[in-house]
Amino acid sequence: QQPVQSPQAVILREGEDAVINCSSSKALYSVHWYRQKHGEAPVFLMILLKGGEQMRHEKISASFNEKKQQSSLYLTASQLSYSGTYFCGTVQGGSEKLVFGKGTKLTVNP
Amino acid sequence: DGGITQSPKYLFRKEGQNVTLSCEQNLNHDAMYWYRQDPGQGLRLIYYSQIVNDFQKGDIAEGYSVSREKKESFPLTVTSAQKNPTAFYLCASSIGNNEQFFGPGTRLTVL
Repeated sequence: QQPVQSPQAVILREGEDAVINCSSSKALYSVHWYRQKHGEAPVFLMILLKGGEQMRHEKISASFNEKKQQSSLYLTASQLSYSGTYFCGTVQGGSEKLVFGKGTKLTVNP
Repeated sequence: DGGITQSPKYLFRKEGQNVTLSCEQNLNHDAMYWYRQDPGQGLRLIYYSQIVNDFQKGDIAEGYSVSREKKESFPLTVTSAQKNPTAFYLCASSIGNNEQFFGPGTRLTVL
């Protein structure tokens, strides 16, 4: 029931765009996105609810396709500060647990 | 300032010893969680608690124990039954299934 994230890693130049995907085989109630920098705690970016709207955090946005049980995180005009590992977490309908994917390591170079 | 604190930041344990990791929050959150993080594995749920004096096993509870006697505190004990305890441990809290706030983590190393 662990969601699958893709790609595992991506390297960008500053100003480029990227998309990170998160897929589940189970019906989802919500999807969370977090970013973690090396040696630090994960920081919340946004949450997408079933039936909800696309969310945005600065130049980062996300969508939730309920039919496909898939969420995508869009990073536009990437900045050096975007570097880190991005985790999606999913909550299945009727569950109390947030289950995290294995993460996508994003590196933004000058 | 509201937040979550974890202590210690680094912890070294000899094989066969039990150790307890502290987690305290002053956010007035009902729900608290313990995760284990290994390289390339993401965050795996050990235990969680939705209310005082109640807690549930997560996906990797074997070799761990918790208590929730106070709303603010959710300590995790790593017992000698945990065969591979070296990892980064993160505590989090939330209101229901909303945003989770994480503590700074404890890095446990078994010598």
